[in-house]
Amino acid sequence: DSGVTQTPKHLITATGQRVTLRCSPRSGDLSVYWYQQSLDQGLQFLIHYYNGEERAKGNILERFSAQQFPDLHSELNLSSLELGDSALYFCASSVQQGIVETQYFGPGTRLLVL
Amino acid sequence: DAKTTQPPSMDCAEGRAANLPCNHSTISGNEYVYWYRQIHSQGPQYIIHGLKNNETNEMASLIITEDRKSSTLILPHATLRDTAVYYCIVRVRSAGGTSYGKLTFGQGTILTVHP
Repeated sequence: DSGVTQTPKHLITATGQRVTLRCSPRSGDLSVYWYQQSLDQGLQFLIHYYNGEERAKGNILERFSAQQFPDLHSELNLSSLELGDSALYFCASSVQQGIVETQYFGPGTRLLVL
Repeated sequence: DAKTTQPPSMDCAEGRAANLPCNHSTISGNEYVYWYRQIHSQGPQYIIHGLKNNETNEMASLIITEDRKSSTLILPHATLRDTAVYYCIVRVRSAGGTSYGKLTFGQGTILTVHP
């Protein structure tokens, strides 16, 4: 158990809909990263938040958005869903130990768009 | 970040050492080598990291060649629960010496440990 929690574990929805994925980082971790894992693209970085501020963006679609709240939990919002958005979505929180950062991943949310 | 090359799959007998190679011939002096693994659609799990010296922790050992162009992750006594996809990742170290930011995952090596 990494200490990172994600809800829901599974989500089934229809094309065109909007969903929100939630991530609670490990206690004390200020950074939250979101990754998408699909069969054809592998694990891909989406976005990084640090203490409520966006730090970096990866290949995140304009239909997707995220935020990190004052209590440090984060939400990933996916809208106008398409079949190709079906994937595993992971969040990771991180701790900086000296000069090295280690990311701890949650169990993921499996999204199926029908 | 430097590109890594790993064999797509490897087998190992239970109880034997599993040696997983990684080529990172374009690595630069300010990049760390990290290893993560992913067990059947679970979240990736951190294993170990290193810069230029060999490293060991409770999970594995990391051997980095002197020229830093390749490394080997060693699981000394593989068990069935070590069956997973193993990812070798290089990460930039900032001017301040810190290493942080996104992880860039390749295809990894599927390690199958058999009885």
